Amino acid sequence: GGIITQTPKFLIGQEGQKLTLKCQQNFNHDTMYWYRQDSGKGLRLIYYSITENDLQKGDLSEGYDASREKKSSFSLTVTSAQKNEMAVFLCASSMGLGHEQYFGPGTRLTVL
Amino acid sequence: GDSVTQTEGLVTLTEGLPVMLNCTYQTIYSNPFLFWYVHYLNESPRLLLKSSTDNKRTEHQGFHATLHKSSSSFHLQKSSAQLSDSALYYCALASSSFSKLVFGQGTSLSVVP
Repeated sequence: GGIITQTPKFLIGQEGQKLTLKCQQNFNHDTMYWYRQDSGKGLRLIYYSITENDLQKGDLSEGYDASREKKSSFSLTVTSAQKNEMAVFLCASSMGLGHEQYFGPGTRLTVL
Repeated sequence: GDSVTQTEGLVTLTEGLPVMLNCTYQTIYSNPFLFWYVHYLNESPRLLLKSSTDNKRTEHQGFHATLHKSSSSFHLQKSSAQLSDSALYYCALASSSFSKLVFGQGTSLSVVP
């Protein structure tokens, strides 16, 4: 088995601030993902990385950057936090694109 | 492009009644993979069950689903709801083993005494 850790668990930022969320996995999975979870909107893909040196935009990439520092880690940056933005950001990993995804516990973002 | 539709945003059930959460999908590919994920409060989402075989019932932890390609459906069912089943349920589609998952909007299941 393995585990996905996300830091921080809670993130409070100011409008316009640049905020970074981190994700680590020890499954030795090639593929990693960042999702945003909003009530009633499901899981929306922000960025994903198929292999260590790859980066792909998802459906919701505007306003975000991502970085796959190494096989086990994948970071997400909110480039300019929007006031009253509240969401949960979930990191996931899988052996490959069509395979079962394993999720982390999430980072809950609040922007004041 | 590929899409998944979960028609119910919120389902409230009395304990002991049957559960059915709807999932339909659209894809041009003939051999999709369908998944149900469950997200309990304060836990990580996890896979509940998956299938790529037409008309074959898949079961796990008391839940079951059957992929019906003729109707593009993969509904989640359970014969008797328990309080502990209260969670957010996502249906997801991978149109092939090389495609990323597409998630539905999610259905929040609330089981009450």
